[in-house]
Formats: sequence, C-alpha cells, structure tokens
Amino acid sequence: ETGVTQTPRHLVMGMTNKKSLKCEQHLGHNAMYWYKQSAKKPLELMFVYNFKEQTENNSVPSRFSPECPNSSHLFLHLHTLQPEDSALYLCASSQGSQGAREQYFGPGTRLTVT
Amino acid sequence: DAKTTQPPSMDCAEGRAANLPCNHSTISGNEYVYWYRQIHSQGPQYIIHGLKNNETNEMASLIITEDRKSSTLILPHATLRDTAVYYCIVRVEGSYIPTFGRGTSLIVHP
Repeated sequence: ETGVTQTPRHLVMGMTNKKSLKCEQHLGHNAMYWYKQSAKKPLELMFVYNFKEQTENNSVPSRFSPECPNSSHLFLHLHTLQPEDSALYLCASSQGSQGAREQYFGPGTRLTVT
Repeated sequence: DAKTTQPPSMDCAEGRAANLPCNHSTISGNEYVYWYRQIHSQGPQYIIHGLKNNETNEMASLIITEDRKSSTLILPHATLRDTAVYYCIVRVEGSYIPTFGRGTSLIVHP
C-alpha cells in the first residue's frame, strides 16, 4: 500500500467510448503524474501536474485529456482511443516542485481498447 | 538525463545476496543514481538513491564507484518476493523521470 490509489484497476472499452481513470493520493504531495506502460516497452511519462497546474505534456495525443481538480486527485479522460492505446496506466505522486527524490506509484489501471 | 545500461536478466538463490549492476558512464556531476523496482502487475517502487557516497536503507545498499560511472544495488538476503524488474535511473534531483528504461529482470529462486 503506497498511499496512491487508482480506479478502476481494469477497464475494457470500445474505440467510440468515453471513460475516465481516477487517481487519488493520501500522502499530502503536491505533484502528480500519469505514466503509460505498454507491453514490451519502457514506462513513459505522459503528464505532470504541480500544485494543480500542468507543467509537462510529453507529446501525448489529444484523445487523452488530464484533469487535476486539486493536489490529491488526478483524472485521465479517454475518448476515441485506438487499440494501440491498450496499456497499463500508472499514476504517481511526489513531494516538492518539479519532481522529488522519490515518486510513489499507484497499482495502475490495465486498459484494453477493443 | 544520462543513459544507463543494465543486464536484461539475472537470477539469485533465495537467502543469498543479489548484486545488480548498472553502468552510467556519461553521468554528470549533479546527477543522482536512483533505483526503483516493479513487481509484476504493480506500480514501480522507490528503493534507494545516491550521489557519490554509498547508501544503505532497510531495503538495500547502493555502492557507487569512485568515478561514478557505475553502481551496484545490493539486496543482502534476497527473498522470493524480491523477484521484480529493477530500474537504474540517473537524473538531476528534482527533475522528472521521462522513461524508466528496460531494467533488469531479477528472478529469485528457492
């Protein structure tokens, strides 16, 4: 238990669906992150939020739309995804601006796009 | 961030020390060495980090060579639950981690 929770843990969606992934951290951190981990590929940073402000968008397609209403919650809104978007989506948080000494990761959401 | 090189896989007997090497020959003076691990189907877990001195915590020890071009993560008494992918990352403290690389898949066997 890392103090970072993600829901749902598994999600199957069609290419025309709209769904959202939710992340919540109970650590009092002020930075939150979305990562994507595809099969056979390294973990890739997608978005970074610091004090609710987006500070990094790693050339992510617009069909992924993040939202950070407060420092404890982070969402990833999904729409018109492609099968190649199937992956494990990981949320992380850290203390301090521009990252920190260590990041705490949630268990991830396993997304399958059909 | 400087690039790291790790062996793709290693194995270790339960109860023995697991020594995981990492090469980072282009590391710069202000870059730290971080280690994370990822147990199957879970998110990565921070283990330890260091700049130039050796470090130890309740999980592992980190040995950094004097020239800082390589390091070794030591799990002193490996257990079956230490089976995971171990990532060695070098970065400036406070910067984001863009990618984790492919890491070393450590299998601890009975």
